[in-house]
Amino acid sequence: SQTIHQWPATLVQPVGSPLSLECTVEGTSNPNLYWYRQAAGRGLQLLFYSIGIDQISSEVPQNLSASRPQDRQFILSSKKLLLSDSGFYLCAWSQGTPEKLFFGSGTQLSVL
Amino acid sequence: DQQVKQNSPSLSVQEGRISILNCDYTNSMFDYFLWYKKYPAEGPTFLISISSIKDKNEDGRFTVFLNKSAKHLSLHIVPSQPGDSAVYFCAASVRSGGGADGLTFGKGTHLIIQP
Repeated sequence: SQTIHQWPATLVQPVGSPLSLECTVEGTSNPNLYWYRQAAGRGLQLLFYSIGIDQISSEVPQNLSASRPQDRQFILSSKKLLLSDSGFYLCAWSQGTPEKLFFGSGTQLSVL
Repeated sequence: DQQVKQNSPSLSVQEGRISILNCDYTNSMFDYFLWYKKYPAEGPTFLISISSIKDKNEDGRFTVFLNKSAKHLSLHIVPSQPGDSAVYFCAASVRSGGGADGLTFGKGTHLIIQP
C-alpha cells in the first residue's frame, strides 16, 4: 500500500533563517506531488505541484521554492523565512484519479 | 478571489442529529467535488466525492448533494457521532482538464458534535 511521510512534525525558526521540509511517498511510482499551506483562519492553499522529476509548477508568488530531485521525493525550501511563512504545511500525492489527494501528516511551522 | 466558499466557520450539532455542511463555488468549470475531514495536527483525509453529472452520492452516514444551477453542494451526516467532530473542507477540481494541478479548497467548517 502507498504511504506518505512528511517531516518534521513541528518546526520553530527565526525570521531570516532557511527552511527545508521533506516529503517522500512509498508504494507507488510517478505520483503527482503537491505542497499545500493552511495559514491561520484560511483554507488550504496550493503552493506547488509536480507531475514528474524536475517538473514544478508554482501557483502563487512567494518566498518559497520546491524541488523534486527524485520520483517520490518533494522538498519545500526557503532561503530566508518571513513571519508570514508561518502555517501548517501539507504534502500530498495523487495518481490515477488525480483529483483525489492523499495527504501527509503535516508540518506546523512557526516563524518568530 | 475565493472560488470555493464555506461561509460557516463552525457548526455545533447534538449527537444523533443531522449535520449539514454547506459549500458554494463560483467557477463553473469545476466538475468534480470532494469533502475532506481533518483532525487537529493531522493531514486531511478523503471522505466522499461527487461528479457534476450526479446530484447525490451516498456512503453510509455521509451523503453529498450537488445543485449545479445554484453552484452549491452540501454534506449531510446522519446520525452525527462524537468522532465526527473535526474540520471539514470542501474541494473542487476541473477533472476534464486532467486534474493534475490539484484541488481548490474552501476555508473549512469546524463541526462540533455535542453529547
